[in-house]
Amino acid sequence: AQTVTQSQPEMSVQEAETVTLSCTYDTSENNYYLFWYKQPPSRQMILVIRQEAYKQQNATENRFSVNFQKAAKSFSLKISDSQLGDTAMYFCAFMKFAGGGSEKLVFGKGTKLTVNP
Amino acid sequence: EPEVTQTPSHQVTQMGQEVILRCVPISNHLYFYWYRQILGQKVEFLVSFYNNEISEKSEIFDDQFSVERPDGSNFTLKIRSTKLEDSAMYFCASTSFGQAQFFGPGTRLTVL
Repeated sequence: AQTVTQSQPEMSVQEAETVTLSCTYDTSENNYYLFWYKQPPSRQMILVIRQEAYKQQNATENRFSVNFQKAAKSFSLKISDSQLGDTAMYFCAFMKFAGGGSEKLVFGKGTKLTVNP
Repeated sequence: EPEVTQTPSHQVTQMGQEVILRCVPISNHLYFYWYRQILGQKVEFLVSFYNNEISEKSEIFDDQFSVERPDGSNFTLKIRSTKLEDSAMYFCASTSFGQAQFFGPGTRLTVL
């Protein structure tokens, strides 16, 4: 079974600065996807970024980027130029590759990020 | 932009009562999911659904739970006899093959 570990329960950052959230996972699969989801106080789950394990290039979405280290089973999220609206819980999630369909997401426990003005 | 919708946003029920949580997935998606999040805890998988049948279910998804896609657009989760420990946020999600899962806004279920 896959497990996802987020070792930082809470983090804070000053507005406009950069912060990195950590995530490690354990799997015997070779093909899989990794995701970061954001959950603001409204509790909506919002996709931030995704990474395919077969791609060596790290994914980037505007101010959000990842550092994917497949051998180390590490998948950290970097938020640049932090904004007050980035304040949220951030969940790292794993999904194994399903040749003919789609699989369930396995989530970490989350990191609560606070951006301070 | 298409989105997953869920109703109601908040449901309060008495222990032992039946509840039905409703979801309308994104229209061209084929895979549907229910997840649960107890307050302050991580999001947990309940069940996945494809081609009008359950693909996978977790240990949480016991005989008290059922899912249905009654009319080609709605996707429902029924809890037959609610328990206090069923109080949680329930999220519906949908996706196409190889894509990320898109979540609805959730239904907060409170069992008294």
